[in-house]
Amino acid sequence: SAVISQKPSRDICQRGTSLTIQCQVDSQVTMMFWYRQQPGQSLTLIATANQGSEATYESGFVIDKFPISRPNLTFSTLTVSNMSPEDSSIYLCSVELGSSPYEQYFGPGTRLTVT
Amino acid sequence: AQKITQTQPGMFVQEKEAVTLDCTYDTSDQSYGLFWYKQPSSGEMIFLIYQGSYDEQNATEGRYSLNFQKARKSANLVISASQLGDSAMYFCAMREPGANNLFFGTGTRLTVIP
Repeated sequence: SAVISQKPSRDICQRGTSLTIQCQVDSQVTMMFWYRQQPGQSLTLIATANQGSEATYESGFVIDKFPISRPNLTFSTLTVSNMSPEDSSIYLCSVELGSSPYEQYFGPGTRLTVT
Repeated sequence: AQKITQTQPGMFVQEKEAVTLDCTYDTSDQSYGLFWYKQPSSGEMIFLIYQGSYDEQNATEGRYSLNFQKARKSANLVISASQLGDSAMYFCAMREPGANNLFFGTGTRLTVIP
């Protein structure tokens, strides 16, 4: 398995501001994923982040709203820009370990509340 | 169409009893992976068990087992000897070839009663 940390663990932000969420992994991984979980809902993939290339966004998510960086094989950031109350969610990063068949491990999540 | 369907929004089980959480999936691929995750109130997603579509044996991990019925496209999670700490949301997920991400169901909230 992998040890994945996220910062911050939670935050309360005002509408119109931006928040950058960090995801750190204790081993080098090729694929990193960012998911959103709105209150009482399931997880929805925002984007896939590979090191050295632009992130690939899912339908309904755009780079201007959710810019992602992936500077190396152990780190990624997700920014939630120009926030509105609808962005209140848990944001989770996950990684795929090449040594395991398709297993994906998740970070502890960032619980965001926008007021 | 939904790729993963979990029809039980909530389930209750007596402590020390076994419980089955239902999951059906929809795919036309022959090769795919099925997963179960546990999400306690803290919000983290804890990987529980994995079943590959070509695995002949049902996956088991400690008190967790996956009842895989390929013809019926079901992948039910069985938790034996329930403990109070098992109270959480449980998500079934699938990965298809060519897609690196997981598709999640809507989850089942399990409550273990002392």
